[in-house]
Amino acid sequence: GQNIDQPTEMTATEGAIVQINCTYQTSGFNGLFWYQQHAGEAPTFLSYNVLDGLEEKGRFSSFLSRSKGYSYLLLKELQMKDSASYLCAVREGYGQNFVFGPGTRLSVLP
Amino acid sequence: EAQVTQNPRYLITVTGKKLTVTCSQNMNHEYMSWYRQDPGLGLRQIYYSMNVEVTDKGDVPEGYKVSRKEKRNFPLILESPSPNQTSLYFCASSGEGKGFFGPGTRLTVL
Repeated sequence: GQNIDQPTEMTATEGAIVQINCTYQTSGFNGLFWYQQHAGEAPTFLSYNVLDGLEEKGRFSSFLSRSKGYSYLLLKELQMKDSASYLCAVREGYGQNFVFGPGTRLSVLP
Repeated sequence: EAQVTQNPRYLITVTGKKLTVTCSQNMNHEYMSWYRQDPGLGLRQIYYSMNVEVTDKGDVPEGYKVSRKEKRNFPLILESPSPNQTSLYFCASSGEGKGFFGPGTRLTVL
């Protein structure tokens, strides 16, 4: 079966750093994706990891450890506009079967 | 501009009245998917397609049909909608390690 866990909610302060964790148990792992979703809007792509290690993209970085079934999204220099839900998604097999986690709602406070 | 479009954006209908939600992408992606998003349940994959005439079931396919006659289009068909299909629907396409979501279709079935 598939199981993806993320914290439900997190709060951080503007300018700070926050780490959002994602753990997964799945068969046929073939990549992990992070998306950002503002309320009432479509998810937007942030990052993709298929190999172990850290992928950095500006203020956002994503880390993957396949042996531990673990990923995190790191957001630096938080801005108010970063208040959103962050979705972790695992791609299974060689197709396009995606399983999404429940999402983490991040609130950035002044 | 790279984009995924969906129509209609909002739809209120009645039980049993067949409807189609269209989806189109202009990025020449082979992979396309349909999701529904419900409070507390997150994003769940309905169907996906790896190429023209190749479709497969996701996690919640019951009550839905899809077709992929052309690479750019991936319509979602509800032959006999029921109230439990009231939801927010997203179409997505992916390629080169990135995923793109359409703006969403909010469907209400009375």
